[in-house]
Amino acid sequence: ELKVEQNPLFLSMQEGKNYTIYCNYSTTSDRLYWYRQDPGKSLESLFVLLSNGAVKQEGRLMASLDTKARLSTLHITAAVHDLSATYFCAVDLLQGGSEKLVFGKGTKLTVNP
Amino acid sequence: DTEVTQTPKHLVMGMTNKKSLKCEQHMGHRAMYWYKQKAKKPPELMFVYSYEKLSINESVPSRFSPECPNSSLLNLHLHALQPEDSALYLCASSQDTSTGMSQHFGDGTRLSIL
Repeated sequence: ELKVEQNPLFLSMQEGKNYTIYCNYSTTSDRLYWYRQDPGKSLESLFVLLSNGAVKQEGRLMASLDTKARLSTLHITAAVHDLSATYFCAVDLLQGGSEKLVFGKGTKLTVNP
Repeated sequence: DTEVTQTPKHLVMGMTNKKSLKCEQHMGHRAMYWYKQKAKKPPELMFVYSYEKLSINESVPSRFSPECPNSSLLNLHLHALQPEDSALYLCASSQDTSTGMSQHFGDGTRLSIL
């Protein structure tokens, strides 16, 4: 059974600071996704990481994937209040020929002024 | 604006009612998904349709019945639900089920069972 663990689950940080969210998973997978969810809203796709060593950046967020370590990171640079949200990583598992996403529990990020 | 449209946005129903949730996408995607999300929890996969055929059913109780009338539409028929079924129901679509393309999520239907 594929398990996806995120840490921390809660993160409170000040504006302007840097921090990293970690996502570990238990079985081999080459595809990992990061999503953002605002309260009461749907999931917004942030990054798709498709190979070992993949690194993608968008604004103040940068995601990376190490498939050998089964680890992905989401790095936040110089946080701003607008980044406050819950961030989920999800790992792709093929089941019966179809893709199935298994989500981590999410990291609730609060950026304080 | 989301490219996956779900209706209704909110639904309140009694345990004896029958209702349906609807999902529509016009991106030409051939895979569609239903997820259930409880408060402060991650989404949990319920069903996957690939090319209009059910490919994954995550042991969902039969009071939830999915239907994919065509490649753009996905329904979830609800009957005799329980209070614990109250949740946000999310529909998603992707190009297909094996390309590694990100799933696009709708805004969800917030369901409350009285």
